[in-house]
Amino acid sequence: SQKIEQNSEALNIQEGKTATLTCNYTNYSPAYLQWYRQDPGRGPVFLLLIRENEKEKRKERLKVTFDTTLKQSLFHITASQPADSATYLCALGEGSSNTGKLIFGQGTTLQVKP
Amino acid sequence: DAGVIQSPRHEVTEMGQEVTLRCKPISGHNSLFWYRQTMMRGLELLIYFNNNVPIDDSGMPEDRFSAKMPNASFSTLKIQPSEPRDSAVYFCASSSAYGQGVINEQFFGPGTRLTVL
Repeated sequence: SQKIEQNSEALNIQEGKTATLTCNYTNYSPAYLQWYRQDPGRGPVFLLLIRENEKEKRKERLKVTFDTTLKQSLFHITASQPADSATYLCALGEGSSNTGKLIFGQGTTLQVKP
Repeated sequence: DAGVIQSPRHEVTEMGQEVTLRCKPISGHNSLFWYRQTMMRGLELLIYFNNNVPIDDSGMPEDRFSAKMPNASFSTLKIQPSEPRDSAVYFCASSSAYGQGVINEQFFGPGTRLTVL
């Protein structure tokens, strides 16, 4: 069956360290993958997009990798800050047609302690 | 632009009542998505529209749920009759991804928190 797995347990790290979040999937062949941030009581907000032919994308302190062989994406936040505390969702975009449809993982909650 | 607008923000109703959730997408976007989020199941896609046409409603739980998009600036999600297990946060999102040859992100509204007693 199709499955998207993100760390179900919250990730607690110290300010200044690098946070690494994992997104694994099975029985999907996504053309692209997106990462979103969600704060309590709010809708998800887009952070980064990476296509299947790209290995890595960066945006300021954020970095995402995409390994279609391992069926895995890693999301890194370097020099983490307490303001980075939130839930992070990965989402797979289907490749058969550009409908814009996304399938979301359950999300990983990140807590950055000062 | 004000972003995606959803109403109401909170809805408390009794089992068996009809519930209508409303969404105004970002002007110019041609795709609209309805999601439901719960702790147990995460963010689930219910239905999405491209150019006001429903494309995939396979995520709609059952016949009690229906969605319409009469024009490019308005969509509704209706639950009739509502049940306690429908309690969740319902999000609407819009995007300009469809048919443009590019991959664009989805913009989410603030959500409607539905409680069915």
